[in-house]
Amino acid sequence: QVQLQESGPALVKPSETLSLACAVSNQYISSGYYWGWIRQSPGKGLEWIGSIYSSGSTYFNPSLKSRVTLSVELAKNQFSLKLSSVTAADTAVYHCAKMSGGGSGSYYFDYWGQGTLVTVSS
Amino acid sequence: EIVMTQSPATLSVSPGERATLSCRASQSVSSNLAWYQQRPGQAPRLLIYGASTRATGIPARFSGSGSGIQFTLTISSLQSEDFAVYFCQQYDNWPPYTFGQGTKLEIK
Repeated sequence: QVQLQESGPALVKPSETLSLACAVSNQYISSGYYWGWIRQSPGKGLEWIGSIYSSGSTYFNPSLKSRVTLSVELAKNQFSLKLSSVTAADTAVYHCAKMSGGGSGSYYFDYWGQGTLVTVSS
Repeated sequence: EIVMTQSPATLSVSPGERATLSCRASQSVSSNLAWYQQRPGQAPRLLIYGASTRATGIPARFSGSGSGIQFTLTISSLQSEDFAVYFCQQYDNWPPYTFGQGTKLEIK
């Protein structure tokens, strides 16, 4: 069973950059799947942030694209999220997930991490 | 962006009874629709993909139906562990992938 675990600071100051990592177990990131980030807040519900392939190919939610950077670290079998210029509206539980599906972008999320709460506050 | 609307927001059902949850898309998503279950404090769990295919290990009491813009998740005989929040997600027209706001299934 694939397992994912998010890690990173729980508190980030406004205007700074939120950085999270997702460690993957029981599946090599290099094995040919897309990996994604989704956040969850009471106000906006579940919101897809972006996804990355093992090669480094990425695609993003247009509403967040200008502020998001995704990367993979194959040696550590993990992938990472950076969200810049954060505000209180970015306060949410951030989940990482493995993606699966029929290809050509038609993917759902078949394994999820528990999520980590990130609060944006001074 | 495709908007996913779930109804009802809260559904009260007795254990052993059937629950029917709805998800409507603002435009056709073909059969590219997934359902997830989220228990308090836990990660979402994939239940259904392709509108009607159960994910690995999901009990047969969970079934999905529909195509186009209208979808249904049915739980045939509710067990105590089924009381949770359920989300739908479309993956037909992206970016972005979009989710419904959720239906909370509570014990009556």
